[in-house]
Amino acid sequence: EDQVTQSPEALRLQEGESSSLNCSYTVSGLRGLFWYRQDPGKGPEFLFTLYSAGEEKEKERLKATLTKKESFLHITAPKPEDSATYLCAVQDMFSGGYNKLIFGAGTRLAVHP
Amino acid sequence: DAGITQSPRHKVTETGTPVTLRCHQTENHRYMYWYRQDPGHGLRLIHYSYGVKDTDKGEVSDGYSVSRSKTEDFLLTLESATSSQTSVYFCAISVTSGEYEQYFGPGTRLTVT
Repeated sequence: EDQVTQSPEALRLQEGESSSLNCSYTVSGLRGLFWYRQDPGKGPEFLFTLYSAGEEKEKERLKATLTKKESFLHITAPKPEDSATYLCAVQDMFSGGYNKLIFGAGTRLAVHP
Repeated sequence: DAGITQSPRHKVTETGTPVTLRCHQTENHRYMYWYRQDPGHGLRLIHYSYGVKDTDKGEVSDGYSVSRSKTEDFLLTLESATSSQTSVYFCAISVTSGEYEQYFGPGTRLTVT
């Protein structure tokens, strides 16, 4: 059964204090791993799709990396506006198609000035 | 912005009443999805559509039905709402143009009393 586990559940950082969020996954065959940002009361906002181990993608202060069992979202010198819940999801190539995603429960990040 | 709107944005209803949520997209994407989001569970797929009149069940489909009579509209119906269906409902579309990405609407907060 496909499974996605995110850790930690919540993370509090001081502004400028770099850290990483973890997403561990179990799938029969990974088609893609996705990172989203979600602000309170809003829909998830797409950040990255990673497809194969060793791949990295960056956007502003965020960098996502992928191995065969997990993905990390590295946040460098975070600012208070980076505070949000970060969601990870996977797409299993053997799930029957149609681009279905399996989500983790998310990591709530709070960045304090 | 993937041109996704959801209506209503908030609804309070009583147990046993039927409820229909609407998702509208403006860009003629083939694949559309309905998710629910609950604390501790993350986003879970209810139903999805891979074309007009083509739909299938997700992991939490019991108590829900869907219809898609036009490319741009995907309706989610709770035939007889229960308190366990109190949740935030998100519609999504998938885009494949080189990269694979899935975009979400703003959500509908449904409370069943």
